[in-house]
Amino acid sequence: QKEVEQDPGPLSVPEGAIVSLNCTYSNSAFQYFMWYRQYSRKGPELLMYTYSSGNKEDGRFTAQVDKSSKYISLFIRDSQPSDSATYLCAMSAPAGNNRKLIWGLGTSLGVNP
Amino acid sequence: EAQVTQNPRYLITVTGKKLTVTCSQNMNHEYMSWYRQDPGLGLRQIYYSMNVEVTDKGDVPEGYKVSRKEKRNFPLILESPSPNQTSLYFCASSLLAGPIGTQYFGPGTRLLVL
Repeated sequence: QKEVEQDPGPLSVPEGAIVSLNCTYSNSAFQYFMWYRQYSRKGPELLMYTYSSGNKEDGRFTAQVDKSSKYISLFIRDSQPSDSATYLCAMSAPAGNNRKLIWGLGTSLGVNP
Repeated sequence: EAQVTQNPRYLITVTGKKLTVTCSQNMNHEYMSWYRQDPGLGLRQIYYSMNVEVTDKGDVPEGYKVSRKEKRNFPLILESPSPNQTSLYFCASSLLAGPIGTQYFGPGTRLLVL
């Protein structure tokens, strides 16, 4: 079993839809939770960052962490064609100085105009 | 502009011919890392560096070398490339004092080994 599970999709939605992207994990030591966005032929870029549990909102994007269920989510409101990309979840535990991230495989999202 | 640059962006080579992929960042970051990204396997860390002259293996270091002689540069060396090293490679950097997980990625180098 992978440490981080993420449905690769693809997910296709109409413009304006609410999108829900999810990851589950098995390591209870994870404290830092990230969502990265990767456009085709580009490097990943950090979209949302959450420490421990709770919600974080940034414009149309909301990240949720449920540590009791070992489940994280990214919600995109009023989705736009420019949101079409692969969304990668990543997690890290605080131990050590490696700053190592454990990555999901990414979910491919297409938003149709 | 704050950025991580990689060169070359695309490379086709043959088995056994040594190659170097360069990575440079202009953000004065201490931490730098190399990843490879493969379908069905995701992003996997090859090597990382906490600062100048401090490097360590990631999850898939076999067949790769790195060096960190200057803070801004972190080249990835393939001494004798093999077809199973055909992949998309990313360099990333971050501040050691910054939040864990906030890494800045380069644009990627697509490598094909024949």
